[in-house]
Amino acid sequence: ELKVEQNPLFLSMQEGKNYTIYCNYSTTSDRLYWYRQDPGKSLESLFVLLSNGAVKQEGRLMASLDTKARLSTLHITAAVHDLSATYFCAVGLVGGSQGNLIFGKGTKLSVKP
Amino acid sequence: DAGVIQSPRHEVTEMGQEVTLRCKPISGHDYLFWYRQTMMRGLELLIYFNNNVPIDDSGMPEDRFSAKMPNASFSTLKIQPSEPRDSAVYFCASSGTGYNQPQHFGDGTRLSIL
Repeated sequence: ELKVEQNPLFLSMQEGKNYTIYCNYSTTSDRLYWYRQDPGKSLESLFVLLSNGAVKQEGRLMASLDTKARLSTLHITAAVHDLSATYFCAVGLVGGSQGNLIFGKGTKLSVKP
Repeated sequence: DAGVIQSPRHEVTEMGQEVTLRCKPISGHDYLFWYRQTMMRGLELLIYFNNNVPIDDSGMPEDRFSAKMPNASFSTLKIQPSEPRDSAVYFCASSGTGYNQPQHFGDGTRLSIL
């Protein structure tokens, strides 16, 4: 059974600081997705990572995937208040159906001035 | 292009009533997903469809839940009879074919069963 663990679950940061959110998963996977959810809102796709060593960047966020370590990271550079949200990773099994994703519990990020 | 459209946005009803949630996926997407989100259990996949056919309904909690997709532009999730423990936010999502296609989520239906 595929299990996805994110840490930390809660993160309070100061503006301007850097930090990393971790997403570990328990069995082999060939795809990993990062989403953002603002309070009371929908989930918004951030990154799609499909291969070992994949790295993608958008603004102050950078995501990477290490399939051998079964680990993805979401790195935040020089945080700003607008990044305050809950971030989810979602993982699919190797060769599994496209629809079967397991979501982590989410990391609630709060960026304070 | 319009995103995934869900209705209603909020629903409050009494225990035992039938609840129907509706979803219009993004045009051209051939996958449709229903999720439930609670504080305790996080985001759970209930069922998903491919080309209007249910592929995996193993996440549907019990027989009180049913989902249909009569055509490519419409799906419903029905709870009958509803119970207080069904209170949650229900999301519909859709995607194109391929692992490189992320799921696009609707705004959700916040359901409260009294």
